[in-house]
Amino acid sequence: RKEVEQDPGPFNVPEGATVAFNCTYSNSASQSFFWYRQDCRKEPKLLMSVYSSGNEDGRFTAQLNRASQYISLLIRDSKLSDSATYLCVVKRAGNQFYFGTGTSLTVIP
Amino acid sequence: EAGVTQFPSHSVIEKGQTVTLRCDPISGHDNLYWYRRVMGKEIKFLLHFVKESKQDESGMPNNRFLAERTGGTYSTLKVQPAELEDSGVYFCASSWLSGGYNEQFFGPGTRLTVL
Repeated sequence: RKEVEQDPGPFNVPEGATVAFNCTYSNSASQSFFWYRQDCRKEPKLLMSVYSSGNEDGRFTAQLNRASQYISLLIRDSKLSDSATYLCVVKRAGNQFYFGTGTSLTVIP
Repeated sequence: EAGVTQFPSHSVIEKGQTVTLRCDPISGHDNLYWYRRVMGKEIKFLLHFVKESKQDESGMPNNRFLAERTGGTYSTLKVQPAELEDSGVYFCASSWLSGGYNEQFFGPGTRLTVL
């Protein structure tokens, strides 16, 4: 079983739409959670960390459910510039990141 | 401030040859990580340095891969001899601290093709 599972998509949504991505992780000892964004042929960049209480950064909201081992990312009012691959990333007590395969988002004009 | 840099950006070699990838972390970052993405798969951890010491090399695929970080600055990852299945994108990342929610900053990657 993979450490991190994501729906690969693709998600094609119109500008202004709200879109949600989900992610599950297999190891209950996981401690830190992140969403990274990766543009085509570029490096992953941190979008936001995901805290137990949930957190929001502008149009982006991240939620963590430790009991269900589930992480989500909600994007409101989608922009063309949001088109990218969104990577769910989990870290255990060590320092290696475990990545999902990513969810592809295309925002259509 | 300069980000993580990697060299070369692309490398095409034949099976059996040797390739050395280089990573320069962000200045002052003691933690350096190597990851690899094989086509169609997720990014996977290879190893982690703290300064010049290998903290965790549990992700290294086999003994054809050798990573070094002389003096705790830049790092190299050598593949010798390269095999077809080594093709992929090799990312380097660095972080100042290593625990909790400390962000890892990624380099642009080296795209390795083994023919």
